[in-house]
Amino acid sequence: GAGVSQSPRYKVAKRGQDVALRCDPISGHVSLFWYQQALGQGPEFLTYFQNEAQLDKSGLPSDRFFAERPEGSVSTLKIQRTQQEDSAVYLCASSLELAGPLNTDTQYFGPGTRLTVL
Amino acid sequence: LAKTTQPISMDSYEGQEVNITCSHNNIATNDYITWYQQFPSQGPRFIIQGYKTKVTNEVASLFIPADRKSSTLSLPRVSLSDTAVYYCLGLTDSWGKLQFGAGTQVVVTP
Repeated sequence: GAGVSQSPRYKVAKRGQDVALRCDPISGHVSLFWYQQALGQGPEFLTYFQNEAQLDKSGLPSDRFFAERPEGSVSTLKIQRTQQEDSAVYLCASSLELAGPLNTDTQYFGPGTRLTVL
Repeated sequence: LAKTTQPISMDSYEGQEVNITCSHNNIATNDYITWYQQFPSQGPRFIIQGYKTKVTNEVASLFIPADRKSSTLSLPRVSLSDTAVYYCLGLTDSWGKLQFGAGTQVVVTP
């Protein structure tokens, strides 16, 4: 079956531009996560959705970052007025079950979107 | 949340067994230990997860001693395609978000 897909795979933006990154999770997966991965580093959590509800956005680095999942499936991560420090790979992951304490459900990652801000 | 420490890199030859040890001295009672693998230009991929003793699947084995302050991922008879970054994660938090460190870069050569 299809895995998590993300588009575009690569995005080049000029500083100050707005960008929108799309994630298509595995069908039926309740939980959706966004992560940011800087070069040479491990992914860092940005935000979490349970169906359409954004339950944790503690990892979003600034108010220029906004994420939504209006129908509980596809999610979009939007970055306004991009800055050079936003250059990174943005990863989306989904899991079948509700997340929560002691949840051990596997997260399935997409290939990521590599954002380069010039 | 269990903070984990693992070696930055490891080199191996094809056919050898690779063992990556991860330290998690502050592991909590509820923490599971989970390992992910990441190839270049791909997202991380789940390998194995355990709570205590030994877990084995078709990809790897995970050894967790009784005190649970460390764990060892064992990759039997590695091939060139096992060259990747391997992350050890403590799995706990309000929403199950994964806390990655820098990982261990494993390079397998012929």
